Amino acid sequence: DTGVSQDPRHKITKRGQNVTFRCDPISEHNRLYWYRQTLGQGPEFLTYFQNEAQLEKSRLLSDRFSAERPKGSFSTLEIQRTEQGDSAMYLCASSLVGFHEQYFGPGTRLTVT
Amino acid sequence: EDKVVQSPLSLVVHEGDTVTLNCSYEVTNFRSLLWYKQEKKAPTFLFMLTSSGIEKKSGRLSSILDKKELFSILNITATQTGDSAIYLCAVGVYQGGSEKLVFGKGTKLTVNP
Repeated sequence: DTGVSQDPRHKITKRGQNVTFRCDPISEHNRLYWYRQTLGQGPEFLTYFQNEAQLEKSRLLSDRFSAERPKGSFSTLEIQRTEQGDSAMYLCASSLVGFHEQYFGPGTRLTVT
Repeated sequence: EDKVVQSPLSLVVHEGDTVTLNCSYEVTNFRSLLWYKQEKKAPTFLFMLTSSGIEKKSGRLSSILDKKELFSILNITATQTGDSAIYLCAVGVYQGGSEKLVFGKGTKLTVNP
């Protein structure tokens, strides 16, 4: 399967712990996006990369969140000092540069207890 | 603020029925409108629309965009139980050199046998 992959699929953590998620995009895609989705809502944009450059960060992304894409391939999203409000599905998507649809990975479901 | 509104929020039909899902938007710098299907996992891409009045079709699904009235519809004919899912509408917007998707809350479709 050459689609977008995410790891882990599920993460349960205690409040105050740090967590890191990984996303591997479709190999030829230059753009990589992170979204957060809570129950009953559509995905909300968090940040995106074109190659290794982080081009935009949503104001939803507090200082506790950081994302990297060091070699322009896979990306990581880290949440420090997790809070219960961080519980959500974290989705990664990728696309080609330009006017193209985004393809989503299976998501990482985070539960903060 | 960019806004995408979907209606209805939920819909229950019987197999064989035809359904129409609605998506209206108010955004700056519209680039595209996309429909996704979401079951118990990540959204899967259905259509991307960029031009008014041109219908896109895939099997029993079709969609059309009206850029003057700022809405799109997704039609599903002869519904099947496998069509049960959340259908998400997203608008691609371009802001300050960045591109992102703004999602609606989705329409939850339930098709009963």
